Amino acid sequence: NAGVMQNPRHLVRRRGQEARLRCSPMKGHSHVYWYRQLPEEGLKFMVYLQKENIIDESGMPKERFSAEFPKEGPSILRIQQVVRGDSAAYFCASSLATVGRNTEAFFGQGTRLTVV
Amino acid sequence: SQQGEEDPQALSIQEGENATMNCSYKTSINNLQWYRQNSGRGLVHLILIRSNEREKHSGRLRVTLDTSKKSSSLLITASRAADTASYFCATDGERNSGGYQKVTFGTGTKLQVIP
Repeated sequence: NAGVMQNPRHLVRRRGQEARLRCSPMKGHSHVYWYRQLPEEGLKFMVYLQKENIIDESGMPKERFSAEFPKEGPSILRIQQVVRGDSAAYFCASSLATVGRNTEAFFGQGTRLTVV
Repeated sequence: SQQGEEDPQALSIQEGENATMNCSYKTSINNLQWYRQNSGRGLVHLILIRSNEREKHSGRLRVTLDTSKKSSSLLITASRAADTASYFCATDGERNSGGYQKVTFGTGTKLQVIP
């Protein structure tokens, strides 16, 4: 049972380009979370998705950022027209459920985005 | 502010000593998790403690949970240089307007173990 897979591991984009970050949750997990970590800082919640639904996007900037988790395929975090301030590590986590006790989240290794 | 807040922000100890990190949170939870992150690497899940548990052990790790004080502690005994990392607590208590819970993190404690 593979863990949470994120790709690419490293991504370099020029200012103004688009960045697409992919996350394949653990098998059987239908809940995906995205977090951003700036250098020397903690993790900041961005968005929480279930299959085909955005449950909570309160941590995601309103402009240029979008996320999806289609019925088939990985979850995608998309950043349009990237700026230097978007440089960070982006982590994806998945969990089996949201309510009750099975809310253990498993993390991918992250995608390190560098905007030049 | 974050649901989980770790204390201290940074900790430096000698190899062999014990390291204690604390986490406080605001709302009621189902469980609390601790993660480790080595510099430049991903997060590694260390231990999960459920709200009806008070203490849990895993190797050299000991986690306590006090739901009345909304706090948890992570104790690493007989620390090693390889324990140098940032440690985060994560809680599942914060709910959005739809009633869904999300896992939220504190800012972490940076632990340095000096050989």
